[in-house]
Amino acid sequence: EPEVTQTPSHQVTQMGQEVILRCVPISNHLYFYWYRQILGQKVEFLVSFYNNEISEKSEIFDDQFSVERPDGSNFTLKIRSTKLEDSAMYFCASSEIGQGGYEQYFGPGTRLTVT
Amino acid sequence: GQQLNQSPQSMFIQEGEDVSMNCTSSSIFNTWLWYKQDPGEGPVLLIALYKAGELTSNGRLTAQFGITRKDSFLNISASIPSDVGIYFCAGQRGTYKYIFGTGTRLKVLA
Repeated sequence: EPEVTQTPSHQVTQMGQEVILRCVPISNHLYFYWYRQILGQKVEFLVSFYNNEISEKSEIFDDQFSVERPDGSNFTLKIRSTKLEDSAMYFCASSEIGQGGYEQYFGPGTRLTVT
Repeated sequence: GQQLNQSPQSMFIQEGEDVSMNCTSSSIFNTWLWYKQDPGEGPVLLIALYKAGELTSNGRLTAQFGITRKDSFLNISASIPSDVGIYFCAGQRGTYKYIFGTGTRLKVLA
């Protein structure tokens, strides 16, 4: 069964450093998303991406964050200058269809620890 | 902002018992999804609901889209130990994002 994959599974970085989290969405999906989950809390939407541009973003997704689809399979989330409060699980998700409601399938996540 | 409240927050049940949990909001949603999350893993999609009043089953799981469109319910019948985890509802209002609920932590006693 097709699934979303993410690398690395765990990333430790120092405050102020740049990190890139990588995702390979399900191959026939066209819409891609990043969510984050601070330990013990609920899952929060960050950004959605379609046709090589951001379609929606939350207030969490500030200028420190960017997303990119550098090739036909990968989808990345970059945090330019990490802060302690960026420590969280970051989940990539994808769906066949976007606006109007459709199933979003999640990857296993990348645990980001900022020290 | 939009908030989805889930209840109960956590529950202990005996293996074989049926489980009910719900998700409520003050806002109307167009789509509801139910996910299960195991520790350290990503949410796994269980059921999707698209119409008010819709009742959908997936094995031992049954979910309903509330008539008011402000709530949704998930039932698990004859629980087994592997049902342990956190169950999240997620609602969408016609944009791209899903808003996740606060979660219900389920623990099953063998």
